[in-house]
Amino acid sequence: GAVVSQHPSWVICKSGTSVKIECRSLDFQATTMFWYRQFPKQSLMLMATSNEGSKATYEQGVEKDKFLINHASLTLSTLTVTSAHPEDSSFYICSARGTDGGAFFGQGTRLTVV
Amino acid sequence: GQNIDQPTEMTATEGAIVQINCTYQTSGFNGLFWYQQHAGEAPTFLSYNVLDGLEEKGRFSSFLSRSKGYSYLLLKELQMKDSASYLCAVREISGGYNKLIFGAGTRLAVHP
Repeated sequence: GAVVSQHPSWVICKSGTSVKIECRSLDFQATTMFWYRQFPKQSLMLMATSNEGSKATYEQGVEKDKFLINHASLTLSTLTVTSAHPEDSSFYICSARGTDGGAFFGQGTRLTVV
Repeated sequence: GQNIDQPTEMTATEGAIVQINCTYQTSGFNGLFWYQQHAGEAPTFLSYNVLDGLEEKGRFSSFLSRSKGYSYLLLKELQMKDSASYLCAVREISGGYNKLIFGAGTRLAVHP
């Protein structure tokens, strides 16, 4: 089956620094990848849609200057949390669209900002 | 826009059957998915419905009624390991591409 690899699995960073999260589709080409954020005991909230070779489409309320998304190739999308603050601490999950339109998820990245 | 509702929590007994309901209101409906998520892990795919009716896959079945905006996930012969959150997700066409929008999830606790 399709495999999506997300790195790192967890990261702790200081407030004010930036963190980059990578999402790779290992055995298929993903023209579209999605980035979700999940707070404890809550569901996945779609942050943005990453389209290969074009600008990401952000959901309402998500700051595009803070959450930089790049989708430079068919197998790699990155999310950079800039000037991170403690309230950005969350579980970030990427997913790549499969042939049936469903989602293959990465393992998730637990970000803690101290 | 979209609105997806499912119960927040459910409890059931090992070996029993449980049904988790999901209602949705969305434009551009293009399929409904159920995912299982254990705490601290990414969701895993369970089922997919795009046409009305029942899809059976082992102990798990999923039903869809597009006219009613309704789906359910049926879990049979419950096991302790089935304790998890179950997420209903609707695929909709928006802006020329598909988006997968999740409900809040139902936390299922299976007791001996």
